[in-house]
Amino acid sequence: EGQLVESGGGLVQPGGSLRLSCVASGFTFSSYWMYWVRQGPGKGLVCVSRIKNDGSPNYADSVKGRFTTSRDNAKNTLYLQMNSLGAEDTAVYYCARGESWSFDIWGQGTMVTVSS
Amino acid sequence: QLTQSPSFLSASVGDRVTIACRASQAINSYLAWYQQKPGKAPELLISIASTLRSGVPSRFSGSASGTEFTLTISSLQPEDFATYYCQQLYSFPLTFGGGTKVEIK
Repeated sequence: EGQLVESGGGLVQPGGSLRLSCVASGFTFSSYWMYWVRQGPGKGLVCVSRIKNDGSPNYADSVKGRFTTSRDNAKNTLYLQMNSLGAEDTAVYYCARGESWSFDIWGQGTMVTVSS
Repeated sequence: QLTQSPSFLSASVGDRVTIACRASQAINSYLAWYQQKPGKAPELLISIASTLRSGVPSRFSGSASGTEFTLTISSLQPEDFATYYCQQLYSFPLTFGGGTKVEIK
């Protein structure tokens, strides 16, 4: 059974940047599509990005042009570069593995707070 | 778009519970169900509308009829009190329903 561990969250000022990381273990990372999902305080789940195993990304409209997802298969690591952050980006950010039309492995989440 | 109902449900241990999820267009059964407990990441219960994940208790089941999907818990257990989400994986962005919080009556 695989595992995902996120890091990089924290407090950032409006307009600032942050890079999240997600380290995978226990499975062949390079074979899977990977996702970032966020959950605002008391809110539901929102999938903000996807990256296929060939490295091609897709983004939700709410983050397009501000967020960049990438992966380093040699390091078994997924990244989310977040720029021009606003209060609406405050959330717990989860990485997740895509498998058989589902997200079967999730990380524990990392909290991002955008506030002055 | 996924419309999940109800958004809140109060039930007792042993009750049969049904949660609905309606898609605004055909999604070819590419629908998953997740359980989330406070402060924890979601956990997969069911994929492709009705395939129970290995290790998930058999009291959980999923069904589909066109664009209407249902998660059923046949006999609610204390550990099942949580929030449940449906998710469509037919097209990106992969959207989630608004969630159903199941609380103790």
